Amino acid sequence: ETGVTQTPRHLVMGMTNKKSLKCEQHLGHNAMYWYKQSAKKPLELMFVYNFKEQTENNSVPSRFSPECPNSSHLFLHLHTLQPEDSALYLCASSPLLGANQPQHFGDGTRLSIL
Amino acid sequence: AQSVTQPDIHITVSEGASLELRCNYSYGATPYLFWYVQSPGQGLQLLLKYFSGDTLVQGIKGFEAEFKRSQSSFNLRKPSVHWSDAAEYFCAVGLTLNSGNTPLVFGKGTRLSVIA
Repeated sequence: ETGVTQTPRHLVMGMTNKKSLKCEQHLGHNAMYWYKQSAKKPLELMFVYNFKEQTENNSVPSRFSPECPNSSHLFLHLHTLQPEDSALYLCASSPLLGANQPQHFGDGTRLSIL
Repeated sequence: AQSVTQPDIHITVSEGASLELRCNYSYGATPYLFWYVQSPGQGLQLLLKYFSGDTLVQGIKGFEAEFKRSQSSFNLRKPSVHWSDAAEYFCAVGLTLNSGNTPLVFGKGTRLSVIA
């Protein structure tokens, strides 16, 4: 139990579908992150939220839309995805936003685009 | 360019043997340094971190890492590997940019296989 829960664990969707990934943390942290992990590629930071405010968007396509309603919950809304978007999507949180803040990760959502 | 390098993509060791995983970084100042482990089907788990002080840091699961400023390295070690240590290991650095953003930058990972 890492304290960061991601649902669903697996998701298969067509390119025209709309779905959402959910992340919830029970650690009292104030910063939350979305990462994309593809085979044979480094971990890619997608979005960063600090006290519910988005602070980073690493040139992520608009077909990915994040939402952070409070410091404990983070969503990633998906629509019109492409096959290359198939990957493991990891959520993480840290107490604060800072270079010395260790991040705690969920187990990820394995996304497959048909 | 600023980077984190893990030179070994895949390492195989025998159970009970010692292990050293390499990590090098290229930054102007000493960054904050982390090692994470990812078991199959799971997220990343923090093994240990270095911020300052004693350059040899102890982590969970019997791992340790040594920071060497002269070599810009932060290698992970374990004296005796167990089969359950088979996983992917990631080195990461945290740095404060002028923009105020503070992303963690991860290496590409080293996959560890353990044989009997």
